[in-house]
Amino acid sequence: QTVVTQEPSLTVSPGGTVTLTCASSTGAVTSDHNPNWFQQKPGQAPRALIYSTYNKHSWTPARFSGSLLGGKAALTLSGVQPEDEADYYCLLYYGGAQGVFGGGTKLTVL
Amino acid sequence: QVTLKESGPVLVKPTETFTLTCTVSGFSLKNARMGVTWVRQPPGKALEWIAHILSNEEKSFSTSLKNRLTISRDTSKSQVVLTMANVDPVDTATYYCARTQIYCSGPSCYPFAFDIWGQGTVVTVSS
Repeated sequence: QTVVTQEPSLTVSPGGTVTLTCASSTGAVTSDHNPNWFQQKPGQAPRALIYSTYNKHSWTPARFSGSLLGGKAALTLSGVQPEDEADYYCLLYYGGAQGVFGGGTKLTVL
Repeated sequence: QVTLKESGPVLVKPTETFTLTCTVSGFSLKNARMGVTWVRQPPGKALEWIAHILSNEEKSFSTSLKNRLTISRDTSKSQVVLTMANVDPVDTATYYCARTQIYCSGPSCYPFAFDIWGQGTVVTVSS
């Protein structure tokens, strides 16, 4: 069974920069996996941030960016704000159709 | 304004079957560039991709759940229906539906983005 792995937790200072990654058990993540990134705050539904590796939705703040980095999908937050404290999930597609979420990264802004 | 709203039973007994409905507004299920995906989240745990149905009626299911799932749509009612059979307490979760953007190449279509999510509906499996 395919496993998608994210850092369980990360801590960043306000105004700092942090990169979250998303790895696949099947090998390097590529644009064919159409990496998506989501933010979820406690008690809320997830909110879409990034699709197809680096594309932002109209509501995605400019400080969020997506990329491929060292065989993984990556989400970088630059100039972190206190309201960015949340859980972040990546989603990869396999065979073009089946999706698998990562285990999520709990981001603490401290 | 695009919205999705999940509805279904709150409490289900083990071994039973439950049906969840995702009612959409602000877009058409017949839109060639759209589909709907179901995602669930057990309490305190990660998101899990369950299944999707696309505008060309292509369907895809989680490998671990596919034997227990069916998905269908009623475009006249703007609804997508997910049925899960033979449920177990481990199926206790918040179930979300999300609009999914797709692209088509020839007869096949492929999802590439979620954008709008529903608020979720909580299903508890317990005797």
